[in-house]
Amino acid sequence: QVQLRESGPGLVQPSETLSLTCTVSGGSVSSGGYYWSWIRQPPGERPEWIGYVYYGRGTSYNPSLKSRLTLSVDASKSLFSLRLTSVTAADTALYYCARGGGNGKSLYHLDFWGQGTLVTVAS
Amino acid sequence: QSVLTQPPSASGTPGQSVTISCSGTTSNVGANFVYWYQHLPGAAPRLLIYASSQRLSGVSDRFSGSASGTSASLAISGLQSGDEAEYYCAAWDNSLNAYVFGSGTKVSV
Repeated sequence: QVQLRESGPGLVQPSETLSLTCTVSGGSVSSGGYYWSWIRQPPGERPEWIGYVYYGRGTSYNPSLKSRLTLSVDASKSLFSLRLTSVTAADTALYYCARGGGNGKSLYHLDFWGQGTLVTVAS
Repeated sequence: QSVLTQPPSASGTPGQSVTISCSGTTSNVGANFVYWYQHLPGAAPRLLIYASSQRLSGVSDRFSGSASGTSASLAISGLQSGDEAEYYCAAWDNSLNAYVFGSGTKVSV
């Protein structure tokens, strides 16, 4: 059974960089066919897809975040990471990592999720 | 921005059935498969339905999905108290090049 766990600071200063990692156990981030994804959910709002990283092939970002976002994967540590620059209060959300499936471009399902980590942007 | 629209709430008594709709456009629901997620308070979202109508292994057959044109739906039969949760539809949007989620439906039993 694949398990994912998010980690990172719960409080980030405005204009600073938000960095989160997702540690994967019970599976390998270098296994083909999986789209290692980030999703966030601001309080009281719907989930928002942030993007995915596909080991050995690249990344896909939500266009609304693309200019501030970097996703990466470290197979040696079995984790993937998110880096979001110039954060504002609008980036306050519960951040989830998840394993997804797709067809090379489009994301399909998200079948395993982490429990989520709350990130607050405030001074 | 394109969005997937769901009714904010649905309710029923134990044993009854409810159906949740998900209305999209030709760039998302009308062009790609739809996925349904159950989100219980304090828990990670759980995939229930993939490829519009396929139940994930281990999901009760009380849950069923369907799609036609630019609309999709999730039906829950034999409602149980454990079904109380927020339900979201999702699909890839070809115009936005993004995975989009529905507005969410809170089911009360």
